[in-house]
Order: sequence, then structure tokens, then C-alpha cells
Amino acid sequence: DIQMTQSPSSLSASIGDRIAITCRPSQSISTYLNWYQQKPGQAPKLLIYATSRLQNGVPSRFSGSGSGTDFTLTISSVQPEDFAIYYCQQSYSTLLTFGGGTRVEIK
Amino acid sequence: QVLLVQSGAEVRQPGASVKVSCKASGYTLTRYAIHWVRQAPGQGLEWMGWINADTNKAESSQTLQGRVTFTRDPSANTAHMELSSLRPEDTAVYYCARSLYCSGGSCYSDGMGYWGQGTLVTVSA
Repeated sequence: DIQMTQSPSSLSASIGDRIAITCRPSQSISTYLNWYQQKPGQAPKLLIYATSRLQNGVPSRFSGSGSGTDFTLTISSVQPEDFAIYYCQQSYSTLLTFGGGTRVEIK
Repeated sequence: QVLLVQSGAEVRQPGASVKVSCKASGYTLTRYAIHWVRQAPGQGLEWMGWINADTNKAESSQTLQGRVTFTRDPSANTAHMELSSLRPEDTAVYYCARSLYCSGGSCYSDGMGYWGQGTLVTVSA
């Protein structure tokens, strides 16, 4: 299985901050990387697929970049509704795997 | 409007089996692959496997291979996940999720675009 390592595991941010979350797969996955947001008590929500494609309805302050073994999810200006846990997930292999998650908290 | 509605919470004893249903509406089940993902209390997401939309072929994670079965009933537009030989560590919320674009196989540029509400399965003696 492809192992997905996210960092940091948690971070504190103030409203308006620019933040970045990193995801590193254990092998190259080209650009086949997705990002999800999960709020307490809710199902995950797809934010970005294929590294940088925004899912319908996702605000443009979210962006994704990277390739191979190094990927980043960036929120350009954190809003109150962005405090959540973020997961990366690879779709390179037919056996999919998720990262361990990054909790974004209010500073 | 795509909706996935899952069956209700279940409690099982260790060693038993559980079957969770995922009823799709707003689209035809046989057009897109269905994934199953679980989340133990306070933990991250674990991909369990998926069922191909058009060939009915299923694939599971290596950790669950042999204990999990994915099926679908096109006449009811419903997918099912059955987990056997339950252990306390199988206690989790189980989600079904639909592929954004893909019917199955090598779905590279594809994510899980639609999710069910989750089903809590508790395994306890």
C-alpha cells in the first residue's frame, strides 16, 4: 500500500491567515491526489481532486499543488468555517489510502 | 441531486457479521463506483474498498481482505457492505461514497464526490 504522511498533524491559525498543509506519499503518485475536509459529526467533503481541481462550490481560497511525492493544500485566508480536519488521499493505486489528517484550530 | 442514504446504527457481538446499506438517489447506481470508508472513534479515515459500477468487480484493502464483501442491487439502486468476524476494533462510523466521475478500475483523476451520512457500528460483548 502507498503510505500517505501529512504534516503538521495540527496547527493553530487566526482568521485571515494563510496556511499550508503538506502530504507526502511513500512513492510517486503523479498528480493523483485528493483533499477532503471533515467537520465534527459530519461526513468528509471533497475539496480538491487531481491535485489542483476545485470541486464544485468550493471557495477559491482553497488551492492545491504538487506532483510526485510532495503535495500542498493552501488556504489563502482562513475563514471561521475552515476550522476542521483535512485529509489527503491518493488515487494512483486501485488500493486507495488516506493521510492521517491535519486538524486546523483557531488560535 | 445525488443523495446517498445509509441504514441505521447497529450493535453486534464479537464474531458476528453486519451488513450496511447505501441507497442512492438522483443517479443510477451502475454508472459510478461506490467506495466504503470507515472511521474509528477519534481516528482518521480508513479506505475499506470499492465496487466497480459496471462490472460488479470489487476490491478491498489488504487489512480487511477476506472479512469484507461489497455487493450492489441495481433494482433497488442500493449498495451493501458486509463485514464478518467482527472485533471490538471494528467499532466505527462506516461511510459509503460515490466516485465523482469514474465507474471503476483505474480511476486516477477522481475523488469521492458524494458521501452518505454514515452508519455507526458498535462491536461489544
